[in-house]
Amino acid sequence: EDQVTQSPEALRLQEGESSSLNCSYTVSGLRGLFWYRQDPGKGPEFLFTLYSAGEEKEKERLKATLTKKESFLHITAPKPEDSATYLCAVQAPGAGSYQLTFGKGTKLSVIP
Amino acid sequence: GAVVSQHPSWVICKSGTSVKIECRSLDFQATTMFWYRQFPKQSLMLMATSNEGSKATYEQGVEKDKFLINHASLTLSTLTVTSAHPEDSSFYICSDNPPGGRYGYTFGSGTRLTVV
Repeated sequence: EDQVTQSPEALRLQEGESSSLNCSYTVSGLRGLFWYRQDPGKGPEFLFTLYSAGEEKEKERLKATLTKKESFLHITAPKPEDSATYLCAVQAPGAGSYQLTFGKGTKLSVIP
Repeated sequence: GAVVSQHPSWVICKSGTSVKIECRSLDFQATTMFWYRQFPKQSLMLMATSNEGSKATYEQGVEKDKFLINHASLTLSTLTVTSAHPEDSSFYICSDNPPGGRYGYTFGSGTRLTVV
């Protein structure tokens, strides 16, 4: 059974204080690992897809990395507008379509 | 990128009534869409895979007679919660299924259902 575990559950940072979010996964036949941002009462917003160990992707203050067992979302010099819940999901073949299995997310709060 | 429109954003209904949630693909043809449910502080849980012109595929533990999915066209999938109960109160979200499944899935804005 595919499993995704995110840590920490919640993270409070001062503005400018860099940190990392963790996503550990077990899946048979990983096709991709996804990071999403979700604001309260909204659907997830796509950030990154990583396909193979060693891959890295960046977008503004965010950088995602992938190993064979986990992924990190690094946040450099965060701003209050980065406050959101960050979701990690893995993709594996299932029932003819490529379904996503999500972790519970890390709720990030950036304090001015 | 793909645009997925979901309506309504929120709905309150009485126990025993039915509620329909719509998910539209605005700029692409969606042969498959996914429906998720999210409880507070929990992850998105896949409920079913909606297939255009055929029956939906439901995940284990999801009652197909309670959560009716219709995907009659390439641009519209609907989820109907029948005989709703307070325990059905949740956040329901749909997403597309990008070609090859290798690109970022696009999600709707979600529907907050409250059953009173």
